[in-house]
Amino acid sequence: NAGVTQTPKFQVLKTGQSMTLQCAQDMNHEYMSWYRQDPGMGLRLIHYSVGAGITDQGEVPNGYNVSRSTTEDFPLRLLSAAPSQTSVYFCASRVGPGANTQYFGPGTRLTVL
Amino acid sequence: DAKTTQPTSMDCAEGRAANLPCNHSTISGNEYVYWYRQIHSQGPQYIIHGLKNNETNEMASLIITEDRKSSTLILPHATLRDTAVYYCIVRSITDSWGKFQFGAGTQVVVTP
Repeated sequence: NAGVTQTPKFQVLKTGQSMTLQCAQDMNHEYMSWYRQDPGMGLRLIHYSVGAGITDQGEVPNGYNVSRSTTEDFPLRLLSAAPSQTSVYFCASRVGPGANTQYFGPGTRLTVL
Repeated sequence: DAKTTQPTSMDCAEGRAANLPCNHSTISGNEYVYWYRQIHSQGPQYIIHGLKNNETNEMASLIITEDRKSSTLILPHATLRDTAVYYCIVRSITDSWGKFQFGAGTQVVVTP
């Protein structure tokens, strides 16, 4: 199993550009989520999904869109990048509800100029 | 409102046990205590979780006080590779996904 994979590892954007961060998992997990981590801070939840076709907002959803057309993939779209979106983005997945382990991807480091 | 309180940082000597405290005085009966860690520039890694009994796995032990208002993560023989930020998280298994919240954590530095 590759686990949770994310692409790209690094990305630089100009203000106003759009892009999609990719996330995929091969563990057949129902639940997937996106977090952002700013320097010196913990992770903040952006969006999450509890299954294909079902998504919902987390703590900091503004400026981001998600969709979940398959169990494996959960892309995060930045509609019009802003410097405030400079951060490290982590994708995570877990089997489903209840007390179980959440697996994280290696992260995407995004800089918006 | 923060559900957990952890020290900002702590040092530990290589080979010694590292005891990481966490206060969760408002924990409710259906909330678990989770521990994750994040090594620099990597994604967070699950360590252990528990409800009220002490737990042990190949990575660590989790000691939860009888009143459940605090817990301690124990790394029995710290190595340099255990240098990381350690997160204590309280979460109900009946909560929606959005309640899995990470705070600032404890920066642990293991020194030779």
